[in-house]
Amino acid sequence: DTAVSQTPKYLVTQMGNDKSIKCEQNLGHDTMYWYKQDSKKFLKIMFSYNNKELIINETVPNRFSPKSPDKAHLNLHINSLELGDSAVYFCASSHTGEGSNQPQHFGDGTRLSIL
Amino acid sequence: SQQGEEDPQALSIQEGENATMNCSYKTSINNLQWYRQNSGRGLVHLILIRSNEREKHSGRLRVTLDTSKKSSSLLITASRAADTASYFCATDLSGANNLFFGTGTRLTVIP
Repeated sequence: DTAVSQTPKYLVTQMGNDKSIKCEQNLGHDTMYWYKQDSKKFLKIMFSYNNKELIINETVPNRFSPKSPDKAHLNLHINSLELGDSAVYFCASSHTGEGSNQPQHFGDGTRLSIL
Repeated sequence: SQQGEEDPQALSIQEGENATMNCSYKTSINNLQWYRQNSGRGLVHLILIRSNEREKHSGRLRVTLDTSKKSSSLLITASRAADTASYFCATDLSGANNLFFGTGTRLTVIP
């Protein structure tokens, strides 16, 4: 009954490869997010999807592409992986809407290591 | 930068003591939120305080917000070893839930 689940939990791959991380939420939320947390624990938003529409893209390289087949899923595809992509990637979800101020619920992260 | 900054970066206390963490930010906000992150896990929402509120309580947590100083504090009373975690503040500028996280405070509670 995990609320926000990400797979895989660990991902080790070679530079230049293409990989995907999957995220699913069963909370009925209408917005999902992807965050990147670096080695210094700094957490920065990458994407936000509301009802399958992208509403935030915080200057992320176009090698990163979010894909949302429905509002319960937001997958992250990464092309041509680089050493600097090594980080922990977190998926989150929330309700949004005027005046809602709803908290975000996070998955446990995907630890990506580039060799 | 819209990012908040927590102070101190690390805090170590004895079980039973109170822990206070501070967060400063640079722009006007709609609300400010505090999250906890246990090692190897995702963030867990603790408390949300709106810009027109000055103080909120939730169990052993007390959050204050001073918009004139652009700062917030999180107080954990009667700390427990299970409170050991990193604590992050996050600002929401417009209420659209676009959060900017601070750098975090690493709290260690010694049994």
